[in-house]
Order: sequence, then C-alpha cells, then structure tokens
Amino acid sequence: EGQLVESGGVVVQPGGSLRLSCAASGFTHYDYTMHWIRQAPGKGLEWVSLITWDDRGTYYADSVKGRFTISRDTSKSSLYLQMNSLRTEDTALYYCALGVVGMDVWGQGTTVTVS
Amino acid sequence: QSALTQPASVSGSPGQSITISCSGTSSDIGGFNYVSWYQQHPGKAPKVIIYEVSNRPSGVSYRFSGSKSGSTAFLIISGLRAEDEADYYCSSYTTTNTQVFGAGTKVTVL
Repeated sequence: EGQLVESGGVVVQPGGSLRLSCAASGFTHYDYTMHWIRQAPGKGLEWVSLITWDDRGTYYADSVKGRFTISRDTSKSSLYLQMNSLRTEDTALYYCALGVVGMDVWGQGTTVTVS
Repeated sequence: QSALTQPASVSGSPGQSITISCSGTSSDIGGFNYVSWYQQHPGKAPKVIIYEVSNRPSGVSYRFSGSKSGSTAFLIISGLRAEDEADYYCSSYTTTNTQVFGAGTKVTVL
C-alpha cells in the first residue's frame, strides 16, 4: 500500500527559507497530481499548492503565491516545497497528498514554526 | 479563493443519520464533479471518505455517502456511531485549477 512521508519541518525566523520534502513509496505508478496542504494550530485545512501529474502545471493559493515553489524529482516519487520569505502566519502542520485530481492519500505531516 | 461554507457543528444520537452541507459556487462545486470529503480525528491526518461527489474508497464504511445539488454538496452519515465523532472537511476542484476546502464541521455523537 502506498504511503507518503514528509520531512524538513523546523523552527525558522520570519523572513527565512525552508524546503519541505515528501517521499512517496509503494504505489504502482507515480503519475498523480500531488498537493501540499497545511493546518495551522487549532485551525482547519488550507490547500497550499499542487503540481499536475505530468509536471506541466503548478498552482498556488493566493496566500503563498510568489513565496512558495512546488517541484518534483524526475522519478515523481519525491515532492518538494521551497518556502521563502516566511511569515509567522505560515506556522502550521504541512501535509503532502496525492490523487488523480483530489487529495486521496495523505502523509502524516511535518511541522513548520515561524518564530 | 473563498473557502467553501460548512456548518461549524452537527450533532446526533447513536443510530441516527446526520447531513453535513458544503456550499460553493459555479466556479467550484457547481462546475465540477470533483468534490471530496475528509474525516479527521484529533491528532491524526485527514482521511478521504468520499471522492468525486459520491464515490467511497475501499475500506470506508457504507454508512458514509455523498451527493451534490447545484453548488452544494452533502455528506450523509447514517447509523451514527461513537467513532464517527471527528472533524469533517469538504474540498472541490476549481476553475483556476486549484483546490479549496471548507472550514470544517465538528460532528458530536450525543
């Protein structure tokens, strides 16, 4: 059964940068759309970004556009989120997820604290 | 990218059925059949329980069902059980090739 494992979450100062990673394993193929979603402490889910199954399209929430960049390695089994110009409001548990269109399989998340 | 609208809380007694609504616009729910529902227990990652409006992934109880009318989607939980107490979120694909979530609904089993 496929699984996703996020890593890279740390404590960082406002204005700093960070790169999150998500390793996918156990799937029969990796031609899926992959997403980053975040959840601030005690709050709901916020969709952050996606990369299409063919890597031709990347899309972002207005709250992170111009600051975050989503990418994937050539094998498509690793997903990244480069986060620049971090703000205190970016503090959250960051999940990666994959699916045909939606978010069908989720990882357990990695915590980013901007303080 | 306005969030979809969900009730903050819904409650019911064991065995009852409850319905959670998720209201959007023609730019999201009304324009596509790509609505999903997620269940999140405290301290756990979300788990998809309905995808593409009404499809249930393997292993998800038949007690969960989904539907859509216009720009509003619905999650129905029948035969409510104590383990159904959790937060529930809807999501939809949008005309700008993004995804949007609802603010979440806390389900309480009385």
